[in-house]
Amino acid sequence: QQQVKQSPQSLIVQKGGISIINCAYENTAFDYFPWYQQFPGKGPALLIAIRPDVSEKKEGRFTISFNKSAKQFSLHIMDSQPGDSATYFCAASTQGGSEKLVFGKGTKLTVNP
Amino acid sequence: NAGVTQTPKFRILKIGQSMTLQCTQDMNHNYMYWYRQDPGMGLKLIYYSVGAGITDKGEVPNGYNVSRSTTEDFPLRLELAAPSQTSVYFCASSDPGLGETQYFGPGTRLLVL
Repeated sequence: QQQVKQSPQSLIVQKGGISIINCAYENTAFDYFPWYQQFPGKGPALLIAIRPDVSEKKEGRFTISFNKSAKQFSLHIMDSQPGDSATYFCAASTQGGSEKLVFGKGTKLTVNP
Repeated sequence: NAGVTQTPKFRILKIGQSMTLQCTQDMNHNYMYWYRQDPGMGLKLIYYSVGAGITDKGEVPNGYNVSRSTTEDFPLRLELAAPSQTSVYFCASSDPGLGETQYFGPGTRLLVL
């Protein structure tokens, strides 16, 4: 049972373009939604995260949009740069326990110069 | 402050052999996790620990064992290695008192032949 569904599997954008990655979840108990960024040969690192009490969170060129009623959230990368080329994972967890994360399958983003 | 360190970086095992993947964190985090990452499948939780002496199963625990005798160390044991355990293994840690961010190590690439 895949609790967090992520799409697309891969994404190619031109430098300066907008990259959009979508995730959908099933468990309404989830209350923490992070995005992790992973470069080849490295471990994932937290990029940005959101809680369901807000519909949008922005940090620099990265924005999370959250739709609680649709049980969906997305990552928008504005003015995409070649250095943004990486694999992005959405995830979800519930607070107050072991903080276990359930990850999506990942999106490999390639930003062409 | 090294963060989360993992050894070895790469290992080849023969079917039926056993080994221990080492994980150490120097951030005094109570929570630690082991994930495996397979191509196109995201990260799946193997085992986790919320403190020394406390461990619990994740989504894919079969074929693995863990122990947590200290706050710093969380080794993962593979008994009777099988080709299905070929994967990249990541250790992570977090401190719920400081937020939900999980900090990942650089990973161990394991090949079982």
